[in-house]
Amino acid sequence: AQTVTQSQPEMSVQEAETVTLSCTYDTSENNYYLFWYKQPPSRQMILVIRQEAYKQQNATENRFSVNFQKAAKSFSLKISDSQLGDTAMYFCAFMMNYGGSQGNLIFGKGTKLSVKP
Amino acid sequence: DAGVTQSPTHLIKTRGQQVTLRCSPKSGHDTVSWYQQALGQGPQFIFQYYEEEERQRGNFPDRFSGHQFPNYSSELNVNALLLGDSALYLCASSDSSYNSPLHFGNGTRLTVT
Repeated sequence: AQTVTQSQPEMSVQEAETVTLSCTYDTSENNYYLFWYKQPPSRQMILVIRQEAYKQQNATENRFSVNFQKAAKSFSLKISDSQLGDTAMYFCAFMMNYGGSQGNLIFGKGTKLSVKP
Repeated sequence: DAGVTQSPTHLIKTRGQQVTLRCSPKSGHDTVSWYQQALGQGPQFIFQYYEEEERQRGNFPDRFSGHQFPNYSSELNVNALLLGDSALYLCASSDSSYNSPLHFGNGTRLTVT
């Protein structure tokens, strides 16, 4: 069975600085996706970034980038130029790639990020 | 373009009762997944519906059941409610094409007393 571990329950960062959130996962499979989701107080889960395991290049979305280390089963999220609106719970998630529509995401327990002015 | 909508937003039920939660997927989406998020935890997959049938199921008892309608909307039913069923229930939709990402709703907060 696949598992996802986020070892940092809470983190804080000053506005405009950079912060890195950690995630490790366990799987014996080779074809999968990894995700970072953001959950603000509104409760809606918002996709931040997605990485396909067969792609060696790290994904980047504006201020958000990942460090994907497949052999180490590590998938960290770096947020550059942190903004107050980045304050939220961040969840790392794993999904097997069977093709077709996405569905069975396995989430970590989350990291609560606070951006301070 | 309306996103994923869930109703109600909050619900209080008594142990032993039954509850129905509703979800309308994002326009153009035909697949609906349900997740349970207990306080302080990440969401856990309950099941997924496509073409009005349950396509995948997580590790949840038969008290949790669902339905998908021809217009792709979906219901989650929970029978014989337990205190441990108190959680945020999230609905997510996607289309059945390859690589379609999930879009989540704002969830229904269920409290069982």
